Amino acid sequence: GEDVEQSLFLSVREGDSSVINCTYTDSSSTYLYWYKQEPGAGLQLLTYIFSNMDMKQDQRLTVLLNKKDKHLSLRIADTQTGDSAIYFCAERDSSASKIIFGSGTRLSIRP
Amino acid sequence: SAVISQKPSRDICQRGTSLTIQCQVDSQVTMMFWYRQQPGQSLTLIATANQGSEATYESGFVIDKFPISRPNLTFSTLTVSNMSPEDSSIYLCSVLAADRDTQYFGPGTRLTVL
Repeated sequence: GEDVEQSLFLSVREGDSSVINCTYTDSSSTYLYWYKQEPGAGLQLLTYIFSNMDMKQDQRLTVLLNKKDKHLSLRIADTQTGDSAIYFCAERDSSASKIIFGSGTRLSIRP
Repeated sequence: SAVISQKPSRDICQRGTSLTIQCQVDSQVTMMFWYRQQPGQSLTLIATANQGSEATYESGFVIDKFPISRPNLTFSTLTVSNMSPEDSSIYLCSVLAADRDTQYFGPGTRLTVL
């Protein structure tokens, strides 16, 4: 079945770039998403990319998609303390209504 | 984007009781979903709430335990029935946007069952 995998933890120094990686198995994935969840809060949609794109940039966020390797990454430039959260990678097939989530990567920022 | 509200935001309940969670969206949406996030875990889809018909449940979830209503295109409820401590989770409402590309989530309802 479909599966989405992420590493559980990432620690970066304030001001550095954070790169969160994700792999997925469903070759028919059409939409790939990054969600952010701050402590005690719901999920915030950060960005998404269509499977026919290689890259998408939105301010400090850069999403890279390697469809051949089924690898998705989220780069956060100039990481700030407010970026501390859990980041979920997710994928959806255009014919499917449900989103499959990864386990989430907890990003912590050190001074 | 869609603005989604949920009530209650949190609750502490006794074993054996039931809790109904409400989800309100600020615009008409075709697809609404209910997810569960157990402590320290990722999100699991419980069911798709269908307007005017019975909800579509995922494997492992049944209507008797999680009855769902969806009377119109902006509102849905999820009931967690006959609760046990294992039901302690965050329950999140989600909607598919009109463009069918993006999916938004409500703030969640944090449920603790004693």
